[in-house]
Amino acid sequence: TQLLEQSPQFLSIQEGENLTVYCNSSSVFSSLQWYRQEPGEGPVLLVTVVTGGEVKKLKRLTFQFGDARKDSSLHITAAQPGDTGLYLCAGRRVNTGNQFYFGTGTSLTVIP
Amino acid sequence: DTEVTQTPKHLVMGMTNKKSLKCEQHMGHRAMYWYKQKAKKPPELMFVYSYEKLSINESVPSRFSPECPNSSLLNLHLHALQPEDSALYLCASSPWEGAPSGANVLTFGAGSRLTVL
Repeated sequence: TQLLEQSPQFLSIQEGENLTVYCNSSSVFSSLQWYRQEPGEGPVLLVTVVTGGEVKKLKRLTFQFGDARKDSSLHITAAQPGDTGLYLCAGRRVNTGNQFYFGTGTSLTVIP
Repeated sequence: DTEVTQTPKHLVMGMTNKKSLKCEQHMGHRAMYWYKQKAKKPPELMFVYSYEKLSINESVPSRFSPECPNSSLLNLHLHALQPEDSALYLCASSPWEGAPSGANVLTFGAGSRLTVL
């Protein structure tokens, strides 16, 4: 059983559309990160959120941490082909050492 | 230096071969990780080293043998692998267990693509 569930698992959209990816858990996290991974490369950190209710923006990407610190969302406005990749959320729980728990992943394809 | 460097980028080996994957970071991070990843799936944790000591082994088969010679280096020794072990192997590092939450994130290398024939 995965601690962090992402939805949707796969997403194929046209350039210019908006989308939201969800990362949900029944557990509380001290922080959550979002990574993007392109084929054959390692994941690259996009953002980390640590405070319940926190909202962070990175150009066309908006990240939100749930008030109870159990879930997060990633919203992309006006998607571009360069946004194509595997999006991963990952979190750290309190007092679990160096353990990072990964979400199930969302594979996004943006069609030109 | 904010990079994690992995070598080799690609590796093809037979089931009787012995090979090693290498990982290096110079960010002063004290935790280093090996992950295994299949296509379009999340990384699966294999091993964690904290302050050069093995702290987590996720029940990985003994044909995978990790080694942390010093705080900057991490190796993964491979022997008698199976075709199903073919995957992208990712190395990552993070500052230290007690680092502030906002700074305690994983920095990944580009990965080593392993093919077992």
